[in-house]
Amino acid sequence: DAGITQSPRHKVTETGTPVTLRCHQTENHRYMYWYRQDPGHGLRLIHYSYGVKDTDKGEVSDGYSVSRSKTEDFLLTLESATSSQTSVYFCAISDFGGRTSEQYFGPGTRLTVT
Amino acid sequence: GENVEQHPSTLSVQEGDSAVIKCTYSDSASNYFPWYKQELGKRPQLIIDIRSNVGEKKDQRIAVTLNKTAKHFSLHITETQPEDSAVYFCAATLSGNTPLVFGKGTRLSVIA
Repeated sequence: DAGITQSPRHKVTETGTPVTLRCHQTENHRYMYWYRQDPGHGLRLIHYSYGVKDTDKGEVSDGYSVSRSKTEDFLLTLESATSSQTSVYFCAISDFGGRTSEQYFGPGTRLTVT
Repeated sequence: GENVEQHPSTLSVQEGDSAVIKCTYSDSASNYFPWYKQELGKRPQLIIDIRSNVGEKKDQRIAVTLNKTAKHFSLHITETQPEDSAVYFCAATLSGNTPLVFGKGTRLSVIA
């Protein structure tokens, strides 16, 4: 597996509380992504980053914000968690600067909002 | 933007038979098409990919074919084994700085 870790791996939180998920990579890849995975919906892109302090929205970005202050870390924040944000969150990395577009996923974070 | 449709959503095959999963994409400019396998409780893993300058690519028991004219690509698994049971996702993108767009997945069950 590529050098990608996510923390926490599991979290239970209450509606209305802020939550931050962390993705850390040791591959020095330029691109990082946050996806959510829900039954029947596959993998949906929330936000992505193409460099330090450079981010863009994906198809399901409402209710989420991101930050990337270092190449190796990409943070996903739920400002006020809702039950609809209960999901499994995957971080991914890729290095489009090279010949390849291959994308590798982290182990995932299971978030439950009660 | 790109849209990827994947069929079927579930597929059951007998061990030793072949399995085929099909995907269509909407953006004719897309040129990179990976396939991911996700076992229960695990992360998606890249198993094979194909670029638009190639029509077919094989890796042991798995192969991917691409028809650019029809804008569809398929995953073929031969001599299926119980360990092939998983959810498979196709994806498409214009390689470069455009994120992958994923299909909704196919749950493959290989019955021993």
